[in-house]
Amino acid sequence: DIQMTQSPSSLSASVGDSVTITCRASQGITNYLAWFQQKPGKAPKSLIYAASRLHSGVPSKFSGSGSGTEFTLTISSLQPEDFATYYCQQYNSYPYTFGQGTKLEIK
Amino acid sequence: QVQLVESGGGVVQPGRSLRLSCAVSGSGFSTYGMHWVRQTPGKGLEWVGVISYDGTNKYYVESVKGRFTMSRDNSKNTLYLEMNSLRVDDTAVYYCAQASGYGFFTEFFQHWGQGTLVTVSS
Repeated sequence: DIQMTQSPSSLSASVGDSVTITCRASQGITNYLAWFQQKPGKAPKSLIYAASRLHSGVPSKFSGSGSGTEFTLTISSLQPEDFATYYCQQYNSYPYTFGQGTKLEIK
Repeated sequence: QVQLVESGGGVVQPGRSLRLSCAVSGSGFSTYGMHWVRQTPGKGLEWVGVISYDGTNKYYVESVKGRFTMSRDNSKNTLYLEMNSLRVDDTAVYYCAQASGYGFFTEFFQHWGQGTLVTVSS
């Protein structure tokens, strides 16, 4: 199975800041990488697929990059509604696997 | 607008069975693969399995093989997860998700349901 490792596990930032979350795959997954946002008690929300493509309706403040084994999610100009937990997920091969999550908190 | 609504969760004793449903509204159910994903506080998000658009192809995570079975009824726009021989570590919120294609390889999740809680406890 492909292991997905996110860093950091938690992150504190202020409104207006930009942050970057890293996701590493244990083997190459080309660009079959997705990012999700999850708020407490809610289902995950799809943000990005194919490493860098935004789902419909997702604001451009979210951006993704990377290929192979290293990927990043950048969120610019943080607003209160952006504080949540973010997950990466590979869909290169079964079983699909997720990172452990990065909790983004308000400083 | 596609909506996915899971149901069927609840409290069940170890070794017993439970069937989850995922009703999908919006067009095109029969042309998309469907996934189940579960989430526990301890293990995070775990992909459970996928079923192709026509139900002929299925893949499961190793931990549920032989115990869980996915099926679908395209006439009812509904996905199912039959869970047998339930264990305490199957306790989780179960989400259904619609694939971006027919349910074969390298397809991402387009839409998610709101989840249904399954608690396995004596």
